[in-house]
Amino acid sequence: NAGVTQTPKFQVLKTGQSMTLQCAQDMNHEYMSWYRQDPGMGLRLIHYSVGAGITDQGEVPNGYNVSRSTTEDFPLRLLSAAPSQTSVYFCASREEGQGSYTFGSGTRLTVV
Amino acid sequence: KQEVTQIPAALSVPEGENLVLNCSFTDSAIYNLQWFRQDPGKGLTSLLLIQSSQREQTSGRLNASLDKSSGRSTLYIAASQPGDSATYLCAGLNQAGTALIFGKGTTLSVSS
Repeated sequence: NAGVTQTPKFQVLKTGQSMTLQCAQDMNHEYMSWYRQDPGMGLRLIHYSVGAGITDQGEVPNGYNVSRSTTEDFPLRLLSAAPSQTSVYFCASREEGQGSYTFGSGTRLTVV
Repeated sequence: KQEVTQIPAALSVPEGENLVLNCSFTDSAIYNLQWFRQDPGKGLTSLLLIQSSQREQTSGRLNASLDKSSGRSTLYIAASQPGDSATYLCAGLNQAGTALIFGKGTTLSVSS
């Protein structure tokens, strides 16, 4: 099992550009989430999904879109990148019930 | 709003010491609790999951406990080693099961 796979690992964007961070899991987990990690702020939830076709906003959703067309994939789209979106982004998944979360290795994004 | 506090923020100990990391919640209504380890520039590795019906979990030299009534959890590390140096994060799963609420972590340094 690969677990949770995130691509790319590093990305530099110019202000105003758009891009998609990819996340895929091969554990057939229903729950998937996107978090961002910033110094002094900890990890904060951006969006989450409880199954294919179902998504909802977390604590800091502005500037981001998500979709969940399959159980395996949960891409995060930055619509118009801003320097405030410079961060490390983590995707995570877990099975239904009381399963533990599994995290990807992260995408380090810099917006200049 | 649920907030998670981890104390201390940083800790330096000599090799071989036993140590305790603390985590507290403003709202004790969490579903379960998970402890993670994060190495610099890396993703999160799950250490222990304490499910809603449990009070503690053990894995090797690690023992985590959860007291829901007081909103507190502790991570006990026995006989610390330099390889234990990392940031330790606690996270509570909200009652809806949709979001992990993270503390800002305790950065541990174990010297040989």
